[in-house]
Amino acid sequence: DIQMTQSPSSLSASVGDRVTMTCRASQRINRSLNWYQQKPGKAPKLLIYTASSLENGVPSRFSGSGSGTDFTLTISGLQPEDSATYFCQQSYSSAYTFGQGTKLEI
Amino acid sequence: QVQLQESGPGLVKPSQTLSLTCTVSGGSISSGGFYWSWIRHLPGKGLEWIGYIYYTGSTHYNPSLNSRVSISVDSSKNQFSLKLSSVTAADTAIYFCARDNDSSGHYHTFDFWGQGTQVTVSS
Repeated sequence: DIQMTQSPSSLSASVGDRVTMTCRASQRINRSLNWYQQKPGKAPKLLIYTASSLENGVPSRFSGSGSGTDFTLTISGLQPEDSATYFCQQSYSSAYTFGQGTKLEI
Repeated sequence: QVQLQESGPGLVKPSQTLSLTCTVSGGSISSGGFYWSWIRHLPGKGLEWIGYIYYTGSTHYNPSLNSRVSISVDSSKNQFSLKLSSVTAADTAIYFCARDNDSSGHYHTFDFWGQGTQVTVSS
């Protein structure tokens, strides 16, 4: 299995801040990396696919970058509704795996 | 807008078989380029992909669960189903069904999800 490691496990920020979180794969996965947002009691929501493509309807303050083994999700101009847990997922291997998540508190 | 809804028992006894169904609306389960997955969120842990099915009936499962998992599809009802056998308390989780998009620039991204259903394994 490809292991996905996210850091930090949690972070706290303020409205208007810019935050970055990272996801590292245990082997190279090209750009086969997706990011999701999950709020308590809700299903995950796709934000970014293939490392940097913004899903339709997702605010442009979300952006993704990276390739190979190291990836980042950046949120610019934090809004209160961005408080959530963020997961990465690799789709390079057909046994898809997720990171453990980064909990963002605002 | 595609919508997915899980249904099935919320409580399963140890050693029995967990059975869930996902009903898809707003789109056809037989559309090419889309796979239909089951994913679970284990308490205190992250998300775990269980497996997927294509409308043709082709399946692929997580190797860690392969011997206990079966996913089937009923295109006439626009549904797909999960069976997980010989369950233990470790299978207690929130179970999600999701559409796995492998088209339009996506490469196996989960773009639509059900709300999730809690399944507890307990006697």
